Amino acid sequence: QSALTQPASVSGSPGQSITISCTGITSDGDNYNYVSWYQQHPGKAPKVIIFDVSDRPSGVSDRFSGSKSGNTASLTISGLQAEDEAEYFCNLHTSDSTLCVFGTGTKVTV
Amino acid sequence: EVQLVESGGDLVPPGGSLRLSCAASGFTFNTYWMHWVRQAPGKGLMWVSHINSDGSGARYADSVKGRFTVSRDNSKNTLYLEMRRLRAEDTGLYFCVRDRRRFGFDPWGQGTLVTVSP
Repeated sequence: QSALTQPASVSGSPGQSITISCTGITSDGDNYNYVSWYQQHPGKAPKVIIFDVSDRPSGVSDRFSGSKSGNTASLTISGLQAEDEAEYFCNLHTSDSTLCVFGTGTKVTV
Repeated sequence: EVQLVESGGDLVPPGGSLRLSCAASGFTFNTYWMHWVRQAPGKGLMWVSHINSDGSGARYADSVKGRFTVSRDNSKNTLYLEMRRLRAEDTGLYFCVRDRRRFGFDPWGQGTLVTVSP
């Protein structure tokens, strides 16, 4: 498994929906892929917003949703709000020797 | 409240050593895997290492293998990262994180800053 690529930046207006892609997930029949997503506001520690591709932890807004198709995972933020302005990172856990790799990060501007 | 508090970050010269600590509270520490994740200034996140719940197994990113050692003291609810032969590229904010679910990291500590510079 090599590096995961995300768009450097995505922007949207309040109320709109945006999708952040995370590409480069290599699939091997014996490997498992667990994708999580993290939100990081400037000067703060990251916070998990999606586990296991699409599971949302309690307390995280249902405006955040995750999915995966082929070699790409995606995070969709619907009903964009000013507080969603942050950097977002995907993360992949695999059973190969890489074990764990983060995406390059996407800065979301509202 | 689940809390992770890192300490031990400092300015060290290249080739130097440092030990980071992470004090955990608010959960049953000895039942969770724990990880270290770092973030270079203005850059992205990089997974560094993990250790299983009883401390019997650990894994490392290739870039730190052989130089870093993760350990834990479950009697003290504390996670450690021993760093040796430090390089400039090891500079960054080191976060202690709990493995809540299959490398799903929650929560994160506030981080401790390691600066490797002459």
